[in-house]
Amino acid sequence: LAKTTQPISMDSYEGQEVNITCSHNNIATNDYITWYQQFPSQGPRFIIQGYKTKVTNEVASLFIPADRKSSTLSLPRVSLSDTAVYYCLVGEDSNYQLIWGAGTKLIIKP
Amino acid sequence: EAQVTQNPRYLITVTGKKLTVTCSQNMNHEYMSWYRQDPGLGLRQIYYSMNVEATDKGDVPEGYKVSRKEKRNFPLILESPSPNQTSLYFCASSLSSYNSPLHFGNGTRLTVT
Repeated sequence: LAKTTQPISMDSYEGQEVNITCSHNNIATNDYITWYQQFPSQGPRFIIQGYKTKVTNEVASLFIPADRKSSTLSLPRVSLSDTAVYYCLVGEDSNYQLIWGAGTKLIIKP
Repeated sequence: EAQVTQNPRYLITVTGKKLTVTCSQNMNHEYMSWYRQDPGLGLRQIYYSMNVEATDKGDVPEGYKVSRKEKRNFPLILESPSPNQTSLYFCASSLSSYNSPLHFGNGTRLTVT
């Protein structure tokens, strides 16, 4: 069971690049790392998923070092609308359950 | 448009009055799941389904029932709702159970008085 650790909250400013790091020391060989974004009273939304090295899509990049014990979600040039809670999830337990932590509350200031 | 649809969005009911929250997905996903989200407790899984006629308990199944008679639908049933089931509920689906990104519905805010 791979548990994740993320900062509880982060602040940044519009136009900045934001990096949120997630620790997952017990990640299993076949586990992927997945990040979700959640706005208040809405369902989480998939952002990005990766297995190793670097993955990039139209909204974010995901950096994964060779040992895969951590990962960093990078949001380029954030705006006020990026204010949300961001969750890092890794694999599942034996009952196919994802373990959702508290996530990182990101606040973007003007 | 690919989506997970939950209904209703808001529901206020009284203790003991049976209710059903519907969930439907149009992506031909194998896996479906129900979560509840409460302040300070994060997302907790209630039930999940790996495929039609295959359901299993999550972390907090007490007081809930589900069924998966068709691939696209996964209703959540509260036979006798109680105030401690007041919560924000989300249905989610994914292509398969493992390492597949989840698609969530917009949520159902339930209040039981």
